[in-house]
Amino acid sequence: EVQLVESGGGLIQPGGSLRLSCAASGFIFEDYAMHWVRLTPGKGLEWVSAINWDGASKGYADSVKGRFTISRDNAKKTLYLQMNSLRTEDTAFYYCAKDVGPATAGNFYYMDVWGKGTTVTVSS
Amino acid sequence: EIVLTQSPGTLSLSPGERATLSCRASQSVPSNYVAWYQQKPGQPPRLLIFGAFRRTTGIPDRFSGSGSGTDFTLTISRLEPEDFAVYYCQQYGDSPPNSFGQGTKLEIK
Repeated sequence: EVQLVESGGGLIQPGGSLRLSCAASGFIFEDYAMHWVRLTPGKGLEWVSAINWDGASKGYADSVKGRFTISRDNAKKTLYLQMNSLRTEDTAFYYCAKDVGPATAGNFYYMDVWGKGTTVTVSS
Repeated sequence: EIVLTQSPGTLSLSPGERATLSCRASQSVPSNYVAWYQQKPGQPPRLLIFGAFRRTTGIPDRFSGSGSGTDFTLTISRLEPEDFAVYYCQQYGDSPPNSFGQGTKLEIK
């Protein structure tokens, strides 16, 4: 069964850091690009970041650029999102999602498999 | 960056009726690379449509996508009770970013 399981969410103060993880199983992880997408009650779904199959190409939403870093460990079949300088507006439910292709040229596509998500709350 | 605007924000219909959801892009989406997702409370999004009109495996044929350029539409021909949810369009023709629309909530009238 294809599965993505996120972890690492929690309550953090503004300015703090958090690292999310996403463990993949049931498919050849290194063959696919991966995404982070977040859901907030007021704004709906927001694409956050993506990384291609080998980690050479990455993309970020303007709202997180310079603060968040996406990475992956293909040997461990795990995707990461390092979140620094967190703001209250980063409070959201964060999903990890699988792209349908490898994004070899850095052209990310759409997502066909999603994890159940993890909650990040930024509050003092 | 392509910005997607979905309308209406909320659509109130009854089971058996036809639903038409709109997604308008701020500029032409290359290759009409638009996807549609359905999201129910407490669940992750579910892929319905990609490439503007291609239904993904397992999606009932009452769901259809159409459009090109800047205007895209998701149509649900006869609403079933399980279709009431939030629907998002996403463009991936000019990525990154792979922007989403703000969503349309389809509620029972």
